Amino acid sequence: AQKITQTQPGMFVQEKEAVTLDCTYDTSDPSYGLFWYKQPSSGEMIFLIYQGSYDQQNATEGRYSLNFQKARKSANLVISASQLGDSAMYFCAMREGHRLGAQKLVFGQGTRLTINP
Amino acid sequence: DSGVTQTPKHLITATGQRVTLRCSPRSGDLSVYWYQQSLDQGLQFLIHYYNGEERAKGNILERFSAQQFPDLHSELNLSSLELGDSALYFCASSVGIGTDTQYFGPGTRLTVL
Repeated sequence: AQKITQTQPGMFVQEKEAVTLDCTYDTSDPSYGLFWYKQPSSGEMIFLIYQGSYDQQNATEGRYSLNFQKARKSANLVISASQLGDSAMYFCAMREGHRLGAQKLVFGQGTRLTINP
Repeated sequence: DSGVTQTPKHLITATGQRVTLRCSPRSGDLSVYWYQQSLDQGLQFLIHYYNGEERAKGNILERFSAQQFPDLHSELNLSSLELGDSALYFCASSVGIGTDTQYFGPGTRLTVL
């Protein structure tokens, strides 16, 4: 069974600092995808960034980057220059399923990030 | 705004009742997924439909059922509701299947009293 582990239940960071949210995963499937989603207090799930298992370079999207270490099975999210609006719950997820077949996302338990002014 | 719409936003009902949650995917998306988010279970996959056909089932109870209609909107039916069914129910959509990113709707918060 595939599994996602987020070991940091909560993190407190000063505004403008960089922050790293940890995510490790477990799978025997050579083809998989890793996602990060943000859930603000309003409740919606916002897609942030995606990394495919065969991607050679780490994914980046604006202030978000994914530190992908395949051998260690880790996919940490890095947020540069944090802002007050970054305060939210962050979920790491892995796509489970065959590349061309049915797929589902398996989520970690999340990390609650609080940005202090 | 992800482009995925869900109605209603909030739903309060009593045990034993039946409710229907509705989802409209992003324009052009053929896949719809349903997820349940609860405090004790976290985010769990329920079911996946692609172009009207069921493609995968997760931890979906027998009291729950879903379908995707020809116009691609989807409905999740929850019956014989129990207190433990109180949760945030998300619909997500993607262009197709395989490597596509899933975009989530705002969710329907169900409270069973």
